[in-house]
Amino acid sequence: QQPVQSPQAVILREGEDAVINCSSSKALYSVHWYRQKHGEAPVFLMILLKGGEQKGHDKISASFNEKKQQSSLYLTASQLSYSGTYFCGTEMGYGNKLVFGAGTILRVKS
Amino acid sequence: EAQVTQNPRYLITVTGKKLTVTCSQNMNHEYMSWYRQDPGLGLRQIYYSMNVEVTDKGDVPEGYKVSRKEKRNFPLILESPSPNQTSLYFCASSPGSAREQYFGPGTRLTVT
Repeated sequence: QQPVQSPQAVILREGEDAVINCSSSKALYSVHWYRQKHGEAPVFLMILLKGGEQKGHDKISASFNEKKQQSSLYLTASQLSYSGTYFCGTEMGYGNKLVFGAGTILRVKS
Repeated sequence: EAQVTQNPRYLITVTGKKLTVTCSQNMNHEYMSWYRQDPGLGLRQIYYSMNVEVTDKGDVPEGYKVSRKEKRNFPLILESPSPNQTSLYFCASSPGSAREQYFGPGTRLTVT
């Protein structure tokens, strides 16, 4: 039931783009994205609800394909501050438990 | 300042000695939740609460208890801790289900 994230880790140079994927075997109501820096608490990025919407702010955006039970997080023109571990979390319905993936480690090098 | 606070931040205890980790939020959020984080496993939800007196099991509730008697507080109770409960614990609050969650700073628990 845990969503599967890919890749497990990625290394980028500043200015490069990255895509992180999150897949579930079950129908989804919502997909959450969080970023966690080493030694800190996770920080909210965005939530997508079923309906195939796409969201974004600054150079980070995400899409949600309800039919495929997949979400993707897009990081464009990466900055050093983007480094961290990215987690997707999924809910099957309103008020259901939130299940996180194992995380994707992103490292941006100068 | 809007925040989620947890206490203690660090705790070393022995097997079987009951302990409570407190969590408090000042944002008037209805939804609160507890997670444990272990290397390679991500964040796993222990319990969550949609409102006062309403709690539900997450993915890994065994060995834990919670209560929600007030909106702002959501303590996590380990009645008989075991070494496999050694972990980093996060409390989070949210305006509701499928909304952004605000995480506390974390509590690192070691059970020997």
